[in-house]
Parts: sequence; structure tokens; C-alpha cells
Amino acid sequence: SQQGEEDPQALSIQEGENATMNCSYKTSINNLQWYRQNSGRGLVHLILIRSNEREKHSGRLRVTLDTSKKSSSLLITASRAADTASYFCATDASGATNKLIFGTGTLLAVQP
Amino acid sequence: ETGVTQSPTHLIKTRGQQVTLRCSSQSGHNTVSWYQQALGQGPQFIFQYYREEENGRGNFPPRFSGLQFPNYSSELNVNALELDDSALYLCASSPADGTNYGYTFGSGTRLTVV
Repeated sequence: SQQGEEDPQALSIQEGENATMNCSYKTSINNLQWYRQNSGRGLVHLILIRSNEREKHSGRLRVTLDTSKKSSSLLITASRAADTASYFCATDASGATNKLIFGTGTLLAVQP
Repeated sequence: ETGVTQSPTHLIKTRGQQVTLRCSSQSGHNTVSWYQQALGQGPQFIFQYYREEENGRGNFPPRFSGLQFPNYSSELNVNALELDDSALYLCASSPADGTNYGYTFGSGTRLTVV
């Protein structure tokens, strides 16, 4: 079963706008990771945030983590058409055996 | 440095048959994990291999089995295929402590069971 939900399920924006995706999860975690997937192919690792971190940046990406609410958000600033993809959060649960538990994903469409 | 490569890219099998999917891990990575992704869903963890031993397993029946070889490449075997096994199968490699650095995924094998 999935660890949690992502919100929204789908998002359509114009190039240059910011895109925000949210992820909720159910159990205690060691870290939370965000991945991008283009057209049902392989996943690309974007960023990892540890459970003792609250915010992390990487280029146009900003990730926040609120362990008290068991939630995370991914912000993509100044979006480009090439950012069109599905985005998944994945948690490494505390005590789990080296497995990632993925959310249901957000489908982002950036219109040129 | 090469990434993770999977073969074949697409496969069509008949219900009841057996299938073997292959994965070559990224150079320097000694851990391989397999995931199943049904259409419109997030990937689901099948199992992980480290130093040729199974190192964690998800909620999949025993007809899903795997191997890891001394060069860290891996195979996923599925026996007695069912229609619901139709999915994208993803292989991911990592250093031993991959959960602190993220995983490198291959492009996947699209399996269709008819």
C-alpha cells in the first residue's frame, strides 16, 4: 500500500509560474525524497531531506518538511515546459528495511 | 560513469508463463532494489539485494524472486504470471547507505501479461 497521498493529483500552470506539490505520509521517517518521472519511464532523484531538517534548496527546487504534521512540500520556481512530468515523494520509514514507500504522485503540466 | 540499465525495455508474456528481467547497477553501487509500478500508481517495493543476499522484501508473493551477482547486477524472476503482474518494473541501485543519498533508477521494463 502507498505511504500517503500527494496533493494535487494534477496541476497545470504556465511557464514562469511557480508549482507547489504537497505530500502527506503516515509513519515516522528517517528521510523523505522527491523524484521526477517522465512519461512512465525511470525516476530521477531530485532532493532528499532528513527528518531533522526543515527546509532544503537545490537550484529551482525548495523542499520543506514538517514531521509534526507528517507532511512535505516541493516548490518549483520559474517553471519551464521541460518540468512537465509526474512528481513523487518517497519516505524511508524508521525501522523499515531499506525500502522507499512512494506516494501517489502529482502530474505537473507546464504550458509554454 | 554509466547509470542503471534494464533489459528488455518491453515484454509481452502469456498468463502462466515465467519471466526474467535484468538490471545492471550504476558503477560503484552495491545495492539493488526492485519496484513494481502499476499504471497511475506510485512504485511499490518488491525487494532489495545487498552483497548477493535479499535485504528486505515488500508485500509480494514468493513467485517473485531475485538474484544478485558478484558484479552487483541483478535479476527479477516472476513465475506463474498473472494479468495483474502487468506493470512497469523498475530497478534502482545505490551505495550501501542509499537511503541517505537517494537511488538511481533505470528506465524500467514494461511487462504486459495477456
